[in-house]
Amino acid sequence: RKEVEQDPGPFNVPEGATVAFNCTYSNSASQSFFWYRQDCRKEPKLLMSVYSSGNEDGRFTAQLNRASQYISLLIRDSKLSDSATYLCVVISPGTYKYIFGTGTRLKVLA
Amino acid sequence: DGGITQSPKYLFRKEGQNVTLSCEQNLNHDAMYWYRQDPGQGLRLIYYSQIVNDFQKGDIAEGYSVSREKKESFPLTVTSAQKNPTAFYLCASSKQGRLTTNEKLFFGSGTQLSVL
Repeated sequence: RKEVEQDPGPFNVPEGATVAFNCTYSNSASQSFFWYRQDCRKEPKLLMSVYSSGNEDGRFTAQLNRASQYISLLIRDSKLSDSATYLCVVISPGTYKYIFGTGTRLKVLA
Repeated sequence: DGGITQSPKYLFRKEGQNVTLSCEQNLNHDAMYWYRQDPGQGLRLIYYSQIVNDFQKGDIAEGYSVSREKKESFPLTVTSAQKNPTAFYLCASSKQGRLTTNEKLFFGSGTQLSVL
């Protein structure tokens, strides 16, 4: 089983739709989680950290479910500019390494 | 502006040639990393350095070498031993070498390496 798994998509959604992605992780001792956004052939950029209590930043909401070992990202009122690949990232406990998922591709359609 | 600078943006390698990718940061970060990204795959760690004059192999270090003589610089050499070097290479840094809770990773803009 991969340490971090994501559905590669693509998720094709109309403008204004709400879309959610999940990401599962295998190490129950993991403590730190992030969502990064990556545009084609560009560097990943931090979208948001994921806190235990869940957190929101504008149209974006991140949640952590420790019992089921997954994190989620919810995007409300999708914009064309949200089209990108969303990477789930987990810090592997004790190894000082970031573990990246393969990414979920989102296409927002006009 | 503080940030991470990678150069060149595009690089072409001939058979049997070693090439070096540059990575410089002015964020005063202790730790630096090199990742490789292939189409449809996640980022894979090549090498990382938690502090000057020290570096560790990542998951796919074979065919690569690095140095960390200065805090700001972490160049990556792709040697002729790397048989499939075509990929997008990303350099990154974090403030601390020991990743603590919510320690964030910052990336350079990447280098696309292709084989002629």
